[in-house]
Amino acid sequence: EADIYQTPRYLVIGTGKKITLECSQTMGHDKMYWYQQDPGMELHLIHYSYGVNSTEKGDLSSESTVSRIRTEHFPLTLESARPSHTSQYLCASYASGTGGRGANVLTFGAGSRLTVL
Amino acid sequence: GQSLEQPSEVTAVEGAIVQINCTYQTSGFYGLSWYQQHDGGAPTFLSYNALDGLEETGRFSSFLSRSDSYGYLLLQELQMKDSASYFCAVRASDRGSTLGRLYFGRGTQLTVWP
Repeated sequence: EADIYQTPRYLVIGTGKKITLECSQTMGHDKMYWYQQDPGMELHLIHYSYGVNSTEKGDLSSESTVSRIRTEHFPLTLESARPSHTSQYLCASYASGTGGRGANVLTFGAGSRLTVL
Repeated sequence: GQSLEQPSEVTAVEGAIVQINCTYQTSGFYGLSWYQQHDGGAPTFLSYNALDGLEETGRFSSFLSRSDSYGYLLLQELQMKDSASYFCAVRASDRGSTLGRLYFGRGTQLTVWP
């Protein structure tokens, strides 16, 4: 019973297409993250947000952009997809202000697996 | 910057005990977390240590030594379903949040044989 939803789960598109990966959470969390992960590899933070109208780039350079107009929604957009963008994209969230253990539990969505031909 | 080291893979048989180590170098350390990820799935939270010592949750335990910048995940009574990748993650200072942010290790692939 996921409280954070990602769509699409799988997407195969051609080079040059614009795509948006959707991420929504129903937990009221203010912090949200996008990670990129290749098979068998580590998670790379590409974008994060600490609240509405707050977005930052992460550690891994990415040609994608994000927006945070509503607390529950954090979409990621690729204006012109390339084969190098082929990867799994994971959205995650957690609540700030709780402190202690609760503040350190990231809840992940099921992921969007993108293939660019 | 932040860096985490963990073994790339570990194998064991059902019923055995396995320990996955994680060493880290970080500034502004808050705590160490562990996540499990099955093939094709999303990471799920296993444990979190902010203070030195052992935390036990069922078959899984996690340990932290802040002075040694070291922690481990201990899995007991291994089952086939425990075959997955295990990531350690450090919560450390970040300019945008008083609670810091998570930095993940490269993950340890655990294979459990019958």
